[in-house]
Amino acid sequence: EVQLLESGGGLVQPGGSLRLSCAASGITFSSYAMSWVRRAPGEGLEWVSTISASGTSTNYADSVKGRFTISRDNSKNTLYLQMNSLRAEDTALYYCAKEHRSSTNCPTFDYWGQGTLVTVSS
Amino acid sequence: DIQMTQSPSSLSASVGDRVTITCRASQSISNFLNWYQQKPGKAPKLLIYAASSLQSGVPSRFSGSGSGTDFTLTISSLQPEDFATYYCQQSYNTPRTFGQGTKLEIK
Repeated sequence: EVQLLESGGGLVQPGGSLRLSCAASGITFSSYAMSWVRRAPGEGLEWVSTISASGTSTNYADSVKGRFTISRDNSKNTLYLQMNSLRAEDTALYYCAKEHRSSTNCPTFDYWGQGTLVTVSS
Repeated sequence: DIQMTQSPSSLSASVGDRVTITCRASQSISNFLNWYQQKPGKAPKLLIYAASSLQSGVPSRFSGSGSGTDFTLTISSLQPEDFATYYCQQSYNTPRTFGQGTKLEIK
């Protein structure tokens, strides 16, 4: 059974930092790209960042570029999101998601964690 | 960035109804379109990928269609467990944008 378990969320002041983790099990973690997706209160889903299976390629939403860093440790089956210079608008439930490309070659987020809540407030 | 626009934003329907949700992309995305369902307090769940392929384990009352810029998600006969929020998402390029969501409520 695939499991993605996020941790590291909490309350932080504006300008502060947090590091989120996502521990994966039930998959060959090093074979898949992984992403972070967030949902702000009362809002829809927003893609945040993706990292390739090897970790050599990363992409970010413009809203977090330069402030957030995605990384992974394939030896520990763990995905990370380092969040710096946090703003009130970063308040959200952060999900990690596994990327899958089927025979159609269309990338999907086929497994998701339950999320970890980040609240940025003074 | 590719903008994804869903309609309607909310929808009231009854058990047994046939429901259609539409999603429009701001440029052609071929068939790189996925649909997700999210229930309160739960993670999103993949329903349809590549516009029309049913994810394993998803009931056959769910179907998707479309190509290019216009897509639809259809639920042929609503069940009580289908009341949720539905999102389309394009995988044609990065950023992988989502629609704003369609909240499906019980009438």
